[in-house]
Amino acid sequence: AQSVTQLDSQVPVFEEAPVELRCNYSSSVSVYLFWYVQYPNQGLQLLLKYLSGSTLVESINGFEAEFNKSQTSFHLRKPSVHISDTAEYFCAVTTSGGYQKVTFGTGTKLQVIP
Amino acid sequence: GAGVSQSPSNKVTEKGKDVELRCDPISGHTALYWYRQSLGQGLEFLIYFQGNSAPDKSGLPSDRFSAERTGGSVSTLTIQRTQQEDSAVYLCASTSAGTGRYEQYFGPGTRLTVT
Repeated sequence: AQSVTQLDSQVPVFEEAPVELRCNYSSSVSVYLFWYVQYPNQGLQLLLKYLSGSTLVESINGFEAEFNKSQTSFHLRKPSVHISDTAEYFCAVTTSGGYQKVTFGTGTKLQVIP
Repeated sequence: GAGVSQSPSNKVTEKGKDVELRCDPISGHTALYWYRQSLGQGLEFLIYFQGNSAPDKSGLPSDRFSAERTGGSVSTLTIQRTQQEDSAVYLCASTSAGTGRYEQYFGPGTRLTVT
């Protein structure tokens, strides 16, 4: 069985400050990892994903996440946040091969303060 | 349309009534998922379809919940004898085959309120 833990339910941060949203996972097999974002009054959309290759993955809007197998983590970071980054962020995990059931974390609400 | 659509967008029903929620996945997407999103609970997996079959129904919370998919396309989630604890946003997602199966495309959701 796989699981995802997002330790912070809410993260307030001032505009232009850096932010890190934490995600830890548990799985007995190889995993694929994702961050999804849900902007206010919008549906979930994929932000970035790690399937294989480079452990550092980036999104088009400046977020990045690093797959750390030894620490079973996939933390999301941005060096300078913007008001428009205010949203809820969900970490998700699935396993390779066969049926890819995706397990989501409980989400972290990022509130960017002007 | 280009994305996943769900209907209705909002549904208010009285306790004890049955409701049907509809999901239209992206054309050609073979896999379809239903989730429930409650306040502070994240996304709760309900059921997964591959084509018209449902190999994983493990997330359905009770036998009041059922779902079907026809023609490898539209899916309907039915909740019988609704209870107040069923109030939530119900989300549908679909994925394509091959390497695209790892990326889920979500619909806007149906907000269900049981009074």
